Amino acid sequence: ETGVTQSPTHLIKTRGQQVTLRCSSQSGHNTVSWYQQALGQGPQFIFQYYREEENGRGNFPPRFSGLQFPNYSSELNVNALELDDSALYLCASSLGYGTGDEQYFGPGTRLTVT
Amino acid sequence: GIQVEQSPPDLILQEGANSTLRCNFSDSVNNLQWFHQNPWGQLINLFYIPSGTKQNGRLSATTVATERYSLLYISSSQTTDSGVYFCAVADRGSTLGRLYFGRGTQLTVWP
Repeated sequence: ETGVTQSPTHLIKTRGQQVTLRCSSQSGHNTVSWYQQALGQGPQFIFQYYREEENGRGNFPPRFSGLQFPNYSSELNVNALELDDSALYLCASSLGYGTGDEQYFGPGTRLTVT
Repeated sequence: GIQVEQSPPDLILQEGANSTLRCNFSDSVNNLQWFHQNPWGQLINLFYIPSGTKQNGRLSATTVATERYSLLYISSSQTTDSGVYFCAVADRGSTLGRLYFGRGTQLTVWP
């Protein structure tokens, strides 16, 4: 069983640009969630996908969007990058839809916006 | 959303010492996880413990769901235990598997 993987590891972008981050969930896990972790803070929930449909979103603007694919991979897209978007982005996968499922995190993508 | 408070925010120990980290949460939960974040940022699963007690080597955890707190015990600390420890919970009253994180406890273990 493979774990959760993310790419790229690091990324540097300029304010106003667009970025796509990628995640590959554990095989068989139907739910993927994305989190943003600013320096010195705990991760903050961005949104969750279940079987290719967004089923919940945290307090993030629409320029944060996502996709989930049938092969357990997913993307986080951020448009019109702002300096405050600089953070560690984590994806997590879990087996089912319920709130009681254990979540497993990838190694993260560190995004720097200049 | 659920409020999660972790204490202490910082903990400095000599190798071999024991420690207790605490996590308080503001509402009923059906998921509680403890993580160790390594220096590269990855969250390592330590325990999935919405209630009860579990042990894994030198680490153990207890969650008292009715009193809304969880404790993580680290015995005989090693330098490799250093890092940030996070508690995260999911709201029992929600259908969304969203985790709410505390601000973490920064543990430093000196040789």
